[in-house]
Amino acid sequence: DAGITQSPRYKITETGRQVTLMCHQTWSHSYMFWYRQDLGHGLRLIYYSAAADITDKGEVPDGYVVSRSKTENFPLTLESATRSQTSVYFCASSELQGITGELFFGEGSRLTVL
Amino acid sequence: GQSLEQPSEVTAVEGAIVQINCTYQTSGFYGLSWYQQHDGGAPTFLSYNALDGLEETGRFSSFLSRSDSYGYLLLQELQMKDSASYFCAVCLPSSNSGYALNFGKGTSLLVTP
Repeated sequence: DAGITQSPRYKITETGRQVTLMCHQTWSHSYMFWYRQDLGHGLRLIYYSAAADITDKGEVPDGYVVSRSKTENFPLTLESATRSQTSVYFCASSELQGITGELFFGEGSRLTVL
Repeated sequence: GQSLEQPSEVTAVEGAIVQINCTYQTSGFYGLSWYQQHDGGAPTFLSYNALDGLEETGRFSSFLSRSDSYGYLLLQELQMKDSASYFCAVCLPSSNSGYALNFGKGTSLLVTP
């Protein structure tokens, strides 16, 4: 199916474990983004990428690692999960041609760190 | 740095008009976007203002004034399904990765009968 998909949709893990959230888009969009959403904080940018092998830190990158070896995939890894990383994580993508302010979001990955 | 301020909650009656304001403290941005998010769902794009003025898309309109560091989303003929959270976001340039969107904390709109 075309679109942007995230997996897993729900994940429970323990403090200190490594967790990887996957994001895959079928539009061949150049830009991809990771946000986390917490009550009272809105959407905060973690990392973003303009193309394969180009990534940048956002507002809250600490504790996260990203890679972009292929245009369609943008995994987010929590190397050693902490309780403060309990959140809903949204991946998004956008086309490079012209800045339209429009991002296409995945359905989110709900992560609980115990 | 930059910050965006929105009211946390707004309540309005079905059929009415409501305006959600967004003030910001940033410069050198490409434009201002608005997104809608229903409970448990993903944010969806509503509108984008690259230039000052009003952009209209059906029942929704968005406005930007760079000189006043201010924008708003106007929702007309409110329907119950418009109950959702609304976010403004500035589109900022990035030297390495082109651009990114930074979001406000969102406004929860409740439409009552």
